[in-house]
Amino acid sequence: KAGVTQTPRYLIKTRGQQVTLSCSPISGHRSVSWYQQTPGQGLQFLFEYFSETQRNKGNFPGRFSGRQFSNSRSEMNVSTLELGDSALYLCASSPSQGLRETQYFGPGTRLLVL
Amino acid sequence: AQKVTQAQTEISVVEKEDVTLDCVYETRDTTYYLFWYKQPPSGELVFLIRRNSFDEQNEISGRYSWNFQKSTSSFNFTITASQVVDSAVYFCALSEEYGGATNKLIFGTGTLLAVQP
Repeated sequence: KAGVTQTPRYLIKTRGQQVTLSCSPISGHRSVSWYQQTPGQGLQFLFEYFSETQRNKGNFPGRFSGRQFSNSRSEMNVSTLELGDSALYLCASSPSQGLRETQYFGPGTRLLVL
Repeated sequence: AQKVTQAQTEISVVEKEDVTLDCVYETRDTTYYLFWYKQPPSGELVFLIRRNSFDEQNEISGRYSWNFQKSTSSFNFTITASQVVDSAVYFCALSEEYGGATNKLIFGTGTLLAVQP
């Protein structure tokens, strides 16, 4: 089975712009979660989608949003980019929802905001 | 509040040495899962193991072993006869049932393991 794929892998944007990141889960996986990784804050949970519905959201401003499509693919959007949004954004998928599910991560999208 | 602590920021060992990575967690729930992930320089988090709160049996997988002790809220990871390919950042993570069904993982700050040849 192919793993989790994320596009693009690298992105450079300037402050004030917006960005959309894409994630394709492992085939058959219906749950997708997003995490932000920075040197200062570490790995932080952004949000989780299951059956096209956001099930949980981390402590991030409203500039961060996401959605999930009927084929389980997910996108996250960051509007009005700030320098502090520079990070590695990781997507993870799991077969279903729940604490016992193992999440499998993609390679991430490295976003640099100038 | 739920929390995962990895007190060791960096560890450097010479190849073939054994190394233990520590993980201490805090949770208010009785049902929870613990995970270890490996992050090589490429950035992808690679799943290593999952352990539920009701199973305190230690596990061994090749050169890897895990010691789960609820009494001390610890879930330590040992690499036996380390190899250069083991060099990576290792993360311990927790998921708990509090608040309903969720896939949310709480990660520790990670331990950078450098294995020198």
